[in-house]
Amino acid sequence: LAKTTQPISMDSYEGQEVNITCSHNNIATNDYITWYQQFPSQGPRFIIQGYKTKVTNEVASLFIPADRKSSTLSLPRVSLSDTAVYYCLVGHSGNTGKLIFGQGTTLQVKP
Amino acid sequence: DTGVSQNPRHKITKRGQNVTFRCDPISEHNRLYWYRQTLGQGPEFLTYFQNEAQLEKSRLLSDRFSAERPKGSFSTLEIQRTEQGDSAMYLCASSLALDGNQPQHFGDGTRLSIL
Repeated sequence: LAKTTQPISMDSYEGQEVNITCSHNNIATNDYITWYQQFPSQGPRFIIQGYKTKVTNEVASLFIPADRKSSTLSLPRVSLSDTAVYYCLVGHSGNTGKLIFGQGTTLQVKP
Repeated sequence: DTGVSQNPRHKITKRGQNVTFRCDPISEHNRLYWYRQTLGQGPEFLTYFQNEAQLEKSRLLSDRFSAERPKGSFSTLEIQRTEQGDSAMYLCASSLALDGNQPQHFGDGTRLSIL
């Protein structure tokens, strides 16, 4: 599995765009990049997944450069309710699909 | 989509007691996972089922832990002779077995506190 590196924490203010970058230098050819969001006392929630270039959904955008050694999760116009831990995961472990989580990025959105 | 349901949400017990948690996955999902999460850490994989077959167990799953998924539907995770170190959030997730990149849908977990 490709190891990921992301900031431990970030602060932002309401209405700002937040970009969280994840490094994954050892990403394999068939690995996808997936981001999950977790609120306190809840399970992680799938946000977005991509393989290359740009993916956008109603929640976020995911930017992946051509070399795929990093990716950036972009949250437009964050609100207080976006305060959460964001996990970047790359690939999957074998055929089981089990997820290997790091510590994630704790995003604190301030009023 | 009723989501993944876990019961109970909270469990407080004395050290040495046995506890059992239940997970009801999304109905059409044939893959089911158990994870454990301690404060400030990401979830750690415990075990995986495809239908009723338990196909992988983490080294974290000591012999005091047992998981079942009869008939490939709901799953239970039992911890025998609980210890202080078992205090954690136990998360269940499910997904489709189309390929390894299918997003997993998590329940909100069972928080276990050992007195």
